[in-house]
Amino acid sequence: KNQVEQSPQSLIILEGKNCTLQCNYTVSPFSNLRWYKQDTGRGPVSLTIMTFSENTKSNGRYTATLDADTKQSSLHITASQLSDSASYICVVIERDSNYQLIWGAGTKLIIKP
Amino acid sequence: EAGVAQSPRYKIIEKRQSVAFWCNPISGHATLYWYQQILGQGPKLLIQFQNNGVVDDSQLPKDRFSAERLKGVDSTLKIQPAKLEDSAVYLCASSLEYGGKSYNEQFFGPGTRLTVL
Repeated sequence: KNQVEQSPQSLIILEGKNCTLQCNYTVSPFSNLRWYKQDTGRGPVSLTIMTFSENTKSNGRYTATLDADTKQSSLHITASQLSDSASYICVVIERDSNYQLIWGAGTKLIIKP
Repeated sequence: EAGVAQSPRYKIIEKRQSVAFWCNPISGHATLYWYQQILGQGPKLLIQFQNNGVVDDSQLPKDRFSAERLKGVDSTLKIQPAKLEDSAVYLCASSLEYGGKSYNEQFFGPGTRLTVL
């Protein structure tokens, strides 16, 4: 069964610190993997989209990694800011005729001053 | 470029009542999606339109939920009658094309938060 699991479920860190969020998936065949940021009361916003051949992709202070062999991805946030407080959702797309999106439950990140 | 618009932003109803949500996608986007997001969970796809045709409604509870996109632009999602477990955020998204290919990014609206009492 295609699944996307994220850890931790929630995380609290101090402003300025770094953190890493994890995503493990069992989706096959694989097309691409996306990380979304969802602020409270808002819709998700795309941070990165990674295809099979990409190992690392950065978007400002956000760096996503992908290991297609172990079916793992991580999102690293550097020098966290209060505005980084949000839920981060990993989405894996199945490479079949429908290119279906398989959503994780998200990691809720809280940045404290 | 204007984003995906949704209304209302909040709605509180009693169980067994009816409710409707409206979505206007980004201009030129052929594909429109409705998602249900329960607190603490990722979004769950309810229905997906390509222009004004339905391409996937496998997870739509058709006994109480309905959706339409008559002119291939804006869309409405209706719940009739509502149950307590329908309390959630209803997200609308749009993309240029159908499906999750790497170049086909989905853009989301702010969502409608529904509370069923």
